[in-house]
Amino acid sequence: AQSVTQLDSQVPVFEEAPVELRCNYSSSVSVYLFWYVQYPNQGLQLLLKYLSGSTLVESINGFEAEFNKSQTSFHLRKPSVHISDTAEYFCAVSDVWGAQKLVFGQGTRLTINP
Amino acid sequence: KAGVTQTPRYLIKTRGQQVTLSCSPISGHRSVSWYQQTPGQGLQFLFEYFSETQRNKGNFPGRFSGRQFSNSRSEMNVSTLELGDSALYLCASSWDSQETQYFGPGTRLLVL
Repeated sequence: AQSVTQLDSQVPVFEEAPVELRCNYSSSVSVYLFWYVQYPNQGLQLLLKYLSGSTLVESINGFEAEFNKSQTSFHLRKPSVHISDTAEYFCAVSDVWGAQKLVFGQGTRLTINP
Repeated sequence: KAGVTQTPRYLIKTRGQQVTLSCSPISGHRSVSWYQQTPGQGLQFLFEYFSETQRNKGNFPGRFSGRQFSNSRSEMNVSTLELGDSALYLCASSWDSQETQYFGPGTRLLVL
């Protein structure tokens, strides 16, 4: 079984400041890792994913995450945030065989202050 | 392509009733998964259907059931509703396993 821990339930930052949302996972088997974003009253949108290969993955809107197998982490970073990044961010994991069964963290609410 | 659609978007029921939620996946997608989102428990996997067969199941009681039709549309049913079933129910579709899941906007269920 897998589990995901998002270390911060809320992260307030100022606009144009850098941000890091932390995610640690636990699993006895190989996993895929994901970050999803949820805007108010909407479903989840995939931000980025790690399946294999390069441990650094990037999204089209400036976010990046690095898979660290030794530390079992998949932290999400952005060098400069915008007001529009205000949302809840979910880290998720699935094992490579049951890839449709996502296990989510509790979420981190990112609030951007002007 | 149209995204994942879920109907209805909002629903109010009373304890003891049953409810059916519907999910239409992205055209061509064969896998449909359901998740429950609550403030207390977060996002939890309910089940996954692929080609009309349940392929994965989460840890929910038997009151929660689902099915998938030949056109990949899926329904989930909750019988004998409890107050704790109040939640946002999210559906996600993908072409197959190991493919990215795309989520719908959800159905918000309130049980009174």
